[in-house]
Amino acid sequence: QSALTQPRSVSGSPGQSVTISCTGTSSDVGGYNYVSWYQHHPGKAPKFMIYDVDKRPSGVPDRFSGSKSGNTASLTVSGLQAEDEADYYCCSYAGSYTWVFGGGTKLTVL
Amino acid sequence: DVQVVESGGGLVQPGGSLRLSCAASGFTFSRYWMRWVRQAPGKGLEWVANIKQDGSEKYYVDSVKGRFTISRDNAKNSLYLQMDSLRVEDTAVYYCATGYCTSNDCYFAFQYWGQGTLVTVSS
Repeated sequence: QSALTQPRSVSGSPGQSVTISCTGTSSDVGGYNYVSWYQHHPGKAPKFMIYDVDKRPSGVPDRFSGSKSGNTASLTVSGLQAEDEADYYCCSYAGSYTWVFGGGTKLTVL
Repeated sequence: DVQVVESGGGLVQPGGSLRLSCAASGFTFSRYWMRWVRQAPGKGLEWVANIKQDGSEKYYVDSVKGRFTISRDNAKNSLYLQMDSLRVEDTAVYYCATGYCTSNDCYFAFQYWGQGTLVTVSS
């Protein structure tokens, strides 16, 4: 149950796009299409952004998109806005009703 | 409006016990798997435990097996985490979260979250 690997930080200017990677193994990210992503402003409740690799729940802007290739999943944020500045966490199902999260990525909007 | 509110955190000595509670409202609690997730200071999120809708199945991260017990009371729309034999490394903000369900199906994700309750294990 090792944490998924994410870059510590990414940054972009308003209007630009950024991509956050999330690398696991064949036992989690690579083995299941159950990757989800969460936006977390410190001190607040995390917000659910993406499920099943690339699906958006109701209310999440289409500027947020997800994808996966092999053992690596990615979250792309297009048309960056100031309010997108937050910590982002990936999460993967790891079998037997267990989950593993990434270490988190701080997105800075310059 | 959906509300998920954790309580019960505090300062406890190593080896001690604490019981966290999570009060839920604004959705059909009994329809959802429920989960606990924690975040140690300066660290990322870590899944801790899950419990099935009827309480019949429970799963834990290896580091808490045998020490933590997840439970729920659907009549009270409440989730609990009994934490025994606490260690310094259990210090974290503990979040209560739900599974993700639409009107048609449920999915492997975490939909509603609380703002967390801080547990500090220190002598």
